Amino acid sequence: AQSVAQPEDQVNVAEGNPLTVKCTYSVSGNPYLFWYVQYPNRGLQFLLKYITGDNLVKGSYGFEAEFNKSQTSFHLKKPSALVSDSALYFCAVRDHPIQGAQKLVFGQGTRLTINP
Amino acid sequence: DADVTQTPRNRITKTGKRIMLECSQTKGHDRMYWYRQDPGLGLRLIYYSFDVKDINKGEISDGYSVSRQAQAKFSLSLESAIPNQTALYFCATSDSRGGRPEAFFGQGTRLTVV
Repeated sequence: AQSVAQPEDQVNVAEGNPLTVKCTYSVSGNPYLFWYVQYPNRGLQFLLKYITGDNLVKGSYGFEAEFNKSQTSFHLKKPSALVSDSALYFCAVRDHPIQGAQKLVFGQGTRLTINP
Repeated sequence: DADVTQTPRNRITKTGKRIMLECSQTKGHDRMYWYRQDPGLGLRLIYYSFDVKDINKGEISDGYSVSRQAQAKFSLSLESAIPNQTALYFCATSDSRGGRPEAFFGQGTRLTVV
């Protein structure tokens, strides 16, 4: 069964500095990988995804993520953090549509705080 | 209007009561999901449905049941609510066609069992 780990419960970054939110995964076969963001009292919003192709994917609000197959990681990054990026971030994985059951499984979330 | 609508948004109920959470979508997606969110545990899958006749248990289905009344509607029931079912519940949809596997979420239902 697929699984996702976000090793940091909380990440604190100064405004203007680069940020990284870490994610590692386990899945049989080729994964579909996703990042979502949750603002207070809101549902989850889709940020970006990796399906195939270029290992560096770009998404909403200036975020990007790098797929690393050998390290089974999909870390979320942004070159310059904004205070408005403060939120709860979730990594998710889905297994291949042919090979697996296609369930979408989430990590436990990382709370990102950007300090002015 | 929201593409994925959950009702109610907030609910307080007593232990032992039956409660239904409803989800409807206007996205035309074939797949629908129910998750619960608890602090520090992320989102855990309760049930998922790939079409009207396909219902599957997720990792924490005990104490819950679901009904896919139509492609656009997927309801979650707690037959006899207990306090540890207090959580934030999310419905989500995705499309098996068109190369867009990402899920879209409703605003959530905050359920408190007292």
